[in-house]
Amino acid sequence: SQQGEEDPQALSIQEGENATMNCSYKTSINNLQWYRQNSGRGLVHLILIRSNEREKHSGRLRVTLDTSKKSSSLLITASRAADTASYFCATDAPGYALNFGKGTSLLVTP
Amino acid sequence: EAGVTQFPSHSVIEKGQTVTLRCDPISGHDNLYWYRRVMGKEIKFLLHFVKESKQDESGMPNNRFLAERTGGTYSTLKVQPAELEDSGVYFCASSQLAGVLGEQFFGPGTRLTVL
Repeated sequence: SQQGEEDPQALSIQEGENATMNCSYKTSINNLQWYRQNSGRGLVHLILIRSNEREKHSGRLRVTLDTSKKSSSLLITASRAADTASYFCATDAPGYALNFGKGTSLLVTP
Repeated sequence: EAGVTQFPSHSVIEKGQTVTLRCDPISGHDNLYWYRRVMGKEIKFLLHFVKESKQDESGMPNNRFLAERTGGTYSTLKVQPAELEDSGVYFCASSQLAGVLGEQFFGPGTRLTVL
């Protein structure tokens, strides 16, 4: 069954603006990860946040996790055209698989 | 260090034909995973190898899909016979550790189109 679910499905912003994507999940997790996929490329790991963490930063990325609401957000500050991609959240599933959502398609226009 | 590689990058076949996808994990990674993304849907787990053994194949859709990892190095995923609904992007990932400590590194994917 689908675990992570991103919102919105699509987002269009201009360079320099911030982009916020949300992810909701259904069951308890150990950690939550965000990935990016550029067109025709593989999934690139962006950031991992553990269930006992509430916020994490990496460069222009800021991830928050609210385990009580079973939700996470990814904030990209000062967006660039190169940030145009699909963004996925993934939660750990029983076993060692990752559960992905459908992704948010981000378009950053110059 | 070379990342996860997949071959081919694209494959277009007709319904009923056979296709074999290949994944070369990062050297030294015992854990290898296959995922796929069908158009417009989420990325779904197919199976997980630890070395040459199938640790979890709960995500394999049906017996038309056969995954192997002989020798514990590269892996192949064969679809025989292919159906229209098999079209999608097939991703391979590898990790050194498994479970919550093991970051999975993904390959570029193979885009499969079944006509």
